[in-house]
Amino acid sequence: NAGVTQTPKFQVLKTGQSMTLQCAQDMNHNSMYWYRQDPGMGLRLIYYSASEGTTDKGEVPNGYNVSRLNKREFSLRLESAAPSQTSVYFCASSVYRENTEAFFGQGTRLTVV
Amino acid sequence: LAKTTQPISMDSYEGQEVNITCSHNNIATNDYITWYQQFPSQGPRFIIQGYKTKVTNEVASLFIPADRKSSTLSLPRVSLSDTAVYYCLAEGNSGGGADGLTFGKGTHLIIQP
Repeated sequence: NAGVTQTPKFQVLKTGQSMTLQCAQDMNHNSMYWYRQDPGMGLRLIYYSASEGTTDKGEVPNGYNVSRLNKREFSLRLESAAPSQTSVYFCASSVYRENTEAFFGQGTRLTVV
Repeated sequence: LAKTTQPISMDSYEGQEVNITCSHNNIATNDYITWYQQFPSQGPRFIIQGYKTKVTNEVASLFIPADRKSSTLSLPRVSLSDTAVYYCLAEGNSGGGADGLTFGKGTHLIIQP
């Protein structure tokens, strides 16, 4: 039972570098989400994909792009990393967008120096 | 923005029952109340969900009064391992729901021996 798998678990980037965070789910869920969590803050939605082939902006999309590669995979790309993007990133999935029982990955801890 | 308000922190002791209240004055008719638990360095985990009255599972109970302006998560006989952040969400669960799961800052519950 893998559930939601994120890679990598840890990453250090220099300012201006790019990288892609990978997320895959094996539960045949339609909807997938990317969140960031900063110290003392709750989770803030970056982007979501209600279904394969669609993506939409969340609360804090600036500086990020996403790709829903297929039903299983939803990636998050930082084109030019900034120190303000230092955070823990979580991917999640649910059966449908309206279904509020979501399953989360273990997170990616990203540091931008 | 999150449609819910909950205390930032709570303290209790092992063996006690803990009740965390969430206010949601303006939720939509089709919104469900969902609670998640998050341990440090982990993604949130679904605990319980309800629409009205009372729901109970092996982990917790959820009480939602008839006016649905608030709800209470009840954790029976807590242990040290229940120390975590608890999030209350009020989101659509059928057709035309929220853009994405919206988390606030949650309630940091600390259980002491």
